[in-house]
Amino acid sequence: RKEVEQDPGPFNVPEGATVAFNCTYSNSASQSFFWYRQDCRKEPKLLMSVYSSGNEDGRFTAQLNRASQYISLLIRDSKLSDSATYLCVVWAGNMLTFGGGTRLMVKP
Amino acid sequence: DGGITQSPKYLFRKEGQNVTLSCEQNLNHDAMYWYRQDPGQGLRLIYYSQIVNDFQKGDIAEGYSVSREKKESFPLTVTSAQKNPTAFYLCAASGGPGETQYFGPGTRLLVL
Repeated sequence: RKEVEQDPGPFNVPEGATVAFNCTYSNSASQSFFWYRQDCRKEPKLLMSVYSSGNEDGRFTAQLNRASQYISLLIRDSKLSDSATYLCVVWAGNMLTFGGGTRLMVKP
Repeated sequence: DGGITQSPKYLFRKEGQNVTLSCEQNLNHDAMYWYRQDPGQGLRLIYYSQIVNDFQKGDIAEGYSVSREKKESFPLTVTSAQKNPTAFYLCAASGGPGETQYFGPGTRLLVL
């Protein structure tokens, strides 16, 4: 079993739609959680950290469920510019582990 | 302008050749990392360094070597022992374990 698992997608959604991604992690001692965004042939960039109480940044909402060991990302009112791969990232000990990413394609 | 720089953007390697990828940061971060990304795949850790003059192997260190002689620099050498080096190589830095990692723009390595 992979340490961090994501549905690779692609998720094809129309503009304005709401879309949600989940990510599961296997290490119950994981301490920090992040969502990164990666555009094609570019480096990953931090989208948002994920806090235990859940957090929101504009159209983006991240949630953590420690009991079930998953984190989620909700994108409301999708824009064409949201098209990218979204990487779930988990810190455990000294190691940062990346999920394989979920590809989102927002269409007109 | 703060950040992480990687050079070159594209690198071509001949069979049996060692090549070195540069990574420099002016964020004053202690920890630096090298990752490899293959098409359609996630990032895999090659090496990391939490402090100057110290570094640790990651998940796929075979065929690679690093040095950390200065806080701002963490070069990666892809040796001839790495039989499948074609990939996108990403360097990152962070303030320490658990903190956000910031990435450089990456180097694409291709084998001739």
